[in-house]
Amino acid sequence: KAGVTQTPRYLIKTRGQQVTLSCSPISGHRSVSWYQQTPGQGLQFLFEYFSETQRNKGNFPGRFSGRQFSNSRSEMNVSTLELGDSALYLCASSSRVGYGYTFGSGTRLTVV
Amino acid sequence: TQLLEQSPQFLSIQEGENLTVYCNSSSVFSSLQWYRQEPGEGPVLLVTVVTGGEVKKLKRLTFQFGDARKDSSLHITAAQPGDTGLYLCADPGSSNTGKLIFGQGTTLQVKP
Repeated sequence: KAGVTQTPRYLIKTRGQQVTLSCSPISGHRSVSWYQQTPGQGLQFLFEYFSETQRNKGNFPGRFSGRQFSNSRSEMNVSTLELGDSALYLCASSSRVGYGYTFGSGTRLTVV
Repeated sequence: TQLLEQSPQFLSIQEGENLTVYCNSSSVFSSLQWYRQEPGEGPVLLVTVVTGGEVKKLKRLTFQFGDARKDSSLHITAAQPGDTGLYLCADPGSSNTGKLIFGQGTTLQVKP
């Protein structure tokens, strides 16, 4: 079966711009989580959506937002980009929360 | 907030050697997951341990969950270059809201 698909794979943006990243979960998976990975902070939880509802949110500023559509696809948006937002953004889906998560290959965002 | 400490942070060994990496917390885990991440890819789930004292084997990888469920270890026998990667432990928590708390990871390099 198809895995978790994240688009685009690479992105270069200028400070102050905004960006939207997309995640298509495994078919049938209704939980989608987003993570930010940096060399200094490791993997940090951004938010989780289940059936179009945000159920949990990490400790990130309001510039980071997301949403989930009725087909479980999810997007995350970062507004007013800062240099420190440069990171690998990973999305993960699960059929049953608390069990195994399948991660996508990520979107590498570089802010210049 | 649950904090996970992994050790060592870096490990560089020759092919054929054995190694053990550790994941510790001051709090009790409800369960614990181990992932491996290769450069440019998302983490891949290796195993979930749930019961204190549990031992699970995945080919040359042996995972142990401490009796008190506050620590876990991953032992690799006769490491191969294909084992190279970032090994992450993660706590899925008990709140059932899709949030994984990750350790900082152990970067393993196996030289041929």
